[in-house]
Amino acid sequence: AQSVTQPDIHITVSEGASLELRCNYSYGATPYLFWYVQSPGQGLQLLLKYFSGDTLVQGIKGFEAEFKRSQSSFNLRKPSVHWSDAAEYFCAVVSNDYKLSFGAGTTVTVRA
Amino acid sequence: SAVISQKPSRDICQRGTSLTIQCQVDSQVTMMFWYRQQPGQSLTLIATANQGSEATYESGFVIDKFPISRPNLTFSTLTVSNMSPEDSSIYLCSVKETNKQNTEAFFGQGTRLTVV
Repeated sequence: AQSVTQPDIHITVSEGASLELRCNYSYGATPYLFWYVQSPGQGLQLLLKYFSGDTLVQGIKGFEAEFKRSQSSFNLRKPSVHWSDAAEYFCAVVSNDYKLSFGAGTTVTVRA
Repeated sequence: SAVISQKPSRDICQRGTSLTIQCQVDSQVTMMFWYRQQPGQSLTLIATANQGSEATYESGFVIDKFPISRPNLTFSTLTVSNMSPEDSSIYLCSVKETNKQNTEAFFGQGTRLTVV
């Protein structure tokens, strides 16, 4: 069965600094991978997704992620964080029947 | 992309009562799912809502506790029955669009349930 691990529960970063959130997956076939963001009191918003092709994926809000099959990773990055990026971030992998398995999430705090 | 409306957005309920959550999509979708997000936790899939037939439940979830309906391709309901404080969570509806090549899932804003 597929699974996702997000090793970092909480990350604090200064505004303007770079951000990297780690995601490792376990899946037998080629994975379909997603990053979602959940702002306080809000639903989930898709940041970006990877299905195939270029392993560096660009998303919304200046985020990007790189798929590395050799490391079973799909880490999310942003070069310069804004205060509005404070939120919870979830990595997810989808199975053949379109069910999503989510990681535990990483809470990002942005300090001024 | 599909636009999903969930009602209610939040509710505070007495233990022992039931609450029905509605999920309305603005287009026909192939698949609809219900997820639960307990406080401080990630999302867990409850079930797949099947149009015209019984929902498919994940391990740890049963129909008696979480009955689901899906009368057509744009609407589904989830009922949380005989509620206890442990049912306090955010419940989210998710859909996959029909005839889309990718497997992107869209989410509603969620229903924040507090059981007292």
